[in-house]
Amino acid sequence: ETGVTQSPTHLIKTRGQQVTLRCSSQSGHNTVSWYQQALGQGPQFIFQYYREEENGRGNFPPRFSGLQFPNYSSELNVNALELDDSALYLCASYAQEGLRNEQFFGPGTRLTVL
Amino acid sequence: AQKVTQAQTEISVVEKEDVTLDCVYETRDTTYYLFWYKQPPSGELVFLIRRNSFDEQNEISGRYSWNFQKSTSSFNFTITASQVVDSAVYFCALSEEGGATNKLIFGTGTLLAVQP
Repeated sequence: ETGVTQSPTHLIKTRGQQVTLRCSSQSGHNTVSWYQQALGQGPQFIFQYYREEENGRGNFPPRFSGLQFPNYSSELNVNALELDDSALYLCASYAQEGLRNEQFFGPGTRLTVL
Repeated sequence: AQKVTQAQTEISVVEKEDVTLDCVYETRDTTYYLFWYKQPPSGELVFLIRRNSFDEQNEISGRYSWNFQKSTSSFNFTITASQVVDSAVYFCALSEEGGATNKLIFGTGTLLAVQP
């Protein structure tokens, strides 16, 4: 158990729709990262939030956006869904002031876009 | 550029065999961290080990052992006396110390199937 939870577990959407995925981090973890894992691939870094501000982004378009809240929860929003957005979405959290590489992953949300 | 290569896509072994999963990395940084994660069918990434670039000592944890060699940029993972419960996808990952983010660069993973 990592203490990081994600909801929902599974989600089915159609192309063009919008989706919000949620992550709840451990208390004290002020940094959260989101990853996209396509089938048969390794996770790819989407972006990172620190103290409610985005402070790093991978190679993903602006229709991928996020929010981080003071209660250690966060959201990943994806607009104008495309078929290629079908993937497992993972969040990972840690305390920036602690051991930066001690990241804790949630169980993921599996998104299917039809 | 940062890159992690896991050349073995799938490995199948019979229970009690030893198996080594290969990982080769590329980075220009002198300070970095290397990781191994296990991903069972449930999807959650399970942390196995973290090594920093200044510590080349090999590590053993039960049936698991890791061989870190900076000279060949490799960080290989060996499971001794494999068990069916070891069946999973294993990912090697790289993280650099500097910069604002702590992103992990993952390899494509190795699917290990341990047959009874």
